[in-house]
Amino acid sequence: EAGVVQSPRYKIIEKKQPVAFWCNPISGHNTLYWYRQNLGQGPELLIRYENEEAVDDSQLPKDRFSAERLKGVDSTLKIQPAELGDSAVYLCASMGREDRDEQFFGPGTRLTVL
Amino acid sequence: AQSVSQHNHHVILSEAASLELGCNYSYGGTVNLFWYVQYPGQHLQLLLKYFSGDPLVKGIKGFEAEFIKSKFSFNLRKPSVQWSDTAEYFCAVSLNSGAGSYQLTFGKGTKLSVIP
Repeated sequence: EAGVVQSPRYKIIEKKQPVAFWCNPISGHNTLYWYRQNLGQGPELLIRYENEEAVDDSQLPKDRFSAERLKGVDSTLKIQPAELGDSAVYLCASMGREDRDEQFFGPGTRLTVL
Repeated sequence: AQSVSQHNHHVILSEAASLELGCNYSYGGTVNLFWYVQYPGQHLQLLLKYFSGDPLVKGIKGFEAEFIKSKFSFNLRKPSVQWSDTAEYFCAVSLNSGAGSYQLTFGKGTKLSVIP
């Protein structure tokens, strides 16, 4: 079974530029999460999807961050414009109905904003 | 809001030494508890989890953790570490709503370095 796929793995951009991250969850997983992990910290939830619905986006900085999961499968997280403080690893995770809270994480996208 | 505290930022051990990593959480209700591990260059993966029942849970690679409700703790242990255990370890908590709690709160992580 393939795991959670994320791309790109690394991204370097200048501040004020836009950037997008893509996530393909494990097949059949209806719940999808985006986390941000700053250096030396644990992951922090940005947004949670149940199928195509964003059911918890309270931690998403909506002035510059947006996300979508149009068909309830793949998801895209966008930052526009990026700021220096957005440098972090962006993690995607998914969970199936039978997984009882066990989330499966992708490798993450390491973003560096110069 | 729930929070998770991991007491040690960086632990250095020699091979065969015993390991105990501390984790405390702050939440008065029913919780699900997890330890995740991130090996160098790899993604986060589940080490073990506690939902209910026996408070001593066993995970992969010889790890175990004990849930002590009165102390709000879920410490990770391994009797004899190996060089391959070098990794970062994250404790996480989610609220048990009965219908599925969904949201994990992570600690800051403990980096373990095992010296051959």
